[in-house]
Amino acid sequence: GQNIDQPTEMTATEGAIVQINCTYQTSGFNGLFWYQQHAGEAPTFLSYNVLDGLEEKGRFSSFLSRSKGYSYLLLKELQMKDSASYLCAVKDSNYQLIWGAGTKLIIKP
Amino acid sequence: GAVVSQHPSWVICKSGTSVKIECRSLDFQATTMFWYRQFPKQSLMLMATSNEGSKATYEQGVEKDKFLINHASLTLSTLTVTSAHPEDSSFYICSAPTPSGPDNEQFFGPGTRLTVL
Repeated sequence: GQNIDQPTEMTATEGAIVQINCTYQTSGFNGLFWYQQHAGEAPTFLSYNVLDGLEEKGRFSSFLSRSKGYSYLLLKELQMKDSASYLCAVKDSNYQLIWGAGTKLIIKP
Repeated sequence: GAVVSQHPSWVICKSGTSVKIECRSLDFQATTMFWYRQFPKQSLMLMATSNEGSKATYEQGVEKDKFLINHASLTLSTLTVTSAHPEDSSFYICSAPTPSGPDNEQFFGPGTRLTVL
């Protein structure tokens, strides 16, 4: 079956750096997405990786290793507003998005 | 950027009634829209793919007669939860792939929280 694993919850301190990992096992691979979802709201797009390596976008970076079935989202200079759930999703061989359960990130002052 | 709207944002209804949720792409045309359901602290679950001008494609385990989908135009898809029951209470989210962005990136509507009493 298809599976995406991410930690359920993480805690970090304001101003620090946090790395959220995602491992996947899917039938085919056509890209990996990271989305941010605040409580009670819909997800918003953060990043997209289809080739190995690091994609940097401001305070957020996303890394992909296709051979390892692994990605991480790196958040720098954490702010209180970064408290949210972070969803990893992989597009499989049928171009269908397979979603992880999300990682709830708690930022403490 | 692309905007997807949903209406209503929340609804409370009695068991046995039907509820219609609208999903609109505001500044682009969407031949395909996706309907998701999300229970508390769980992942997004794709319910169905809505196709303009043709029948929706439902995921395994989703009752097509209970969750009626109509994609009547290039900017509007509707999901009707028929004879709703308390177990249908959930957060329903629609999304649409955008003309631009990476490999059909999806933009999400704000979601509709359904509570069935």
